[in-house]
Amino acid sequence: DTEVTQTPKHLVMGMTNKKSLKCEQHMGHRAMYWYKQKAKKPPELMFVYSYEKLSINESVPSRFSPECPNSSLLNLHLHALQPEDSALYLCASSLGETQYFGPGTRLLVL
Amino acid sequence: SQKIEQNSEALNIQEGKTATLTCNYTNYSPAYLQWYRQDPGRGPVFLLLIRENEKEKRKERLKVTFDTTLKQSLFHITASQPADSATYLCASRGGKLIFGQGTELSVKP
Repeated sequence: DTEVTQTPKHLVMGMTNKKSLKCEQHMGHRAMYWYKQKAKKPPELMFVYSYEKLSINESVPSRFSPECPNSSLLNLHLHALQPEDSALYLCASSLGETQYFGPGTRLLVL
Repeated sequence: SQKIEQNSEALNIQEGKTATLTCNYTNYSPAYLQWYRQDPGRGPVFLLLIRENEKEKRKERLKVTFDTTLKQSLFHITASQPADSATYLCASRGGKLIFGQGTELSVKP
């Protein structure tokens, strides 16, 4: 299995909602990442997990809360988001230098 | 600070021609450069990695070069096809993976 899967594909939420994005990989990769991507811009790193521990937080607001329940799963919990948080959220995993990206979750915050 | 720049936002070429995309880096010396392809609304897909001690690398119709003197990588697609139309991202690790802004390639039939 050489895939990173993400659910849901699309998500619309209000500013008072709580929702979660999910990411899964079964390639045995021990590093997993969350990126945010706005239209016509490159992916921006948000969080890095290495061996299930948070190793990098790129000064992301606390309304985004990552979680790594096990080596195959990565969640991103969302609460009290702002309209400017609307974007494509990408999960990735890696073993060496190459990152394998999921298809992303398109998030719209109303 | 470490920077990667792709100097064309968009590139339009005719089918069958060679597309050449440029990636320049400043303020650091990456051990390698990577190229990814991204289709609209999808995640980037890894294409090629070239290390600093490699001058050139090929994969089917793709060729990447790495010139440490010019601080530049060139990405070529030969015999381009409309299916090659996508955004191509250059990336390198300077602590974390840094992406260039991307070049949107459009191949017209």
